[in-house]
Amino acid sequence: GAGVSQTPSNKVTEKGKYVELRCDPISGHTALYWYRQSLGQGPEFLIYFQGTGAADDSGLPNDRFFAVRPEGSVSTLKIQRTERGDSAMYLCASSPSGPGSVDTQYFGPGTRLTVL
Amino acid sequence: RKEVEQDPGPFNVPEGATVAFNCTYSNSASQSFFWYRQDCRKEPKLLMSVYSSGNEDGRFTAQLNRASQYISLLIRDSKLSDSATYLCVVNTFNKFYFGSGTKLNVKP
Repeated sequence: GAGVSQTPSNKVTEKGKYVELRCDPISGHTALYWYRQSLGQGPEFLIYFQGTGAADDSGLPNDRFFAVRPEGSVSTLKIQRTERGDSAMYLCASSPSGPGSVDTQYFGPGTRLTVL
Repeated sequence: RKEVEQDPGPFNVPEGATVAFNCTYSNSASQSFFWYRQDCRKEPKLLMSVYSSGNEDGRFTAQLNRASQYISLLIRDSKLSDSATYLCVVNTFNKFYFGSGTKLNVKP
């Protein structure tokens, strides 16, 4: 079946602009995660959804970052007033239930964000 | 202190060699442990979960030492296709923490 998909695959924007990154999880997966990965580093946790609600948003770096998952499926990560330091690969992952189990996380191909 | 620490490498080994990677984690309350593989400019993919009793999947063996807060991955009979970055992942209080990865280059 279809895996996790993310759009766009690449996004180039200017400092100060607003961007939205989309994640389509695997159908039926209740848990959805957003991560940010900089070059030479491992993915860094941003936020985790269980269903429609954000179960843990402690990884969001500041209030310019916000994510939603209104119907418990597709999620959008929104970044306001982008800064050059926001440039990174943004990865989305889904799993059948959540981190309390040992379910595998399935990652999407990521969106590479470049802020000029 | 980082939640998960790994030697970044690179480990350069010939085909057929045995290579081992280690990872340490800082929180003794961590609940579950994984190794992921990430190819250049691709997403991470689960290689294997790591259990206290140790587990093996073909040429790959993972070990967990809770007392020392240490996880290892052993790759036997390395193949060219094993060249990748190996990420150690720890689940602590329902959050997944990734190490920075260990790069492996398997040479002909």
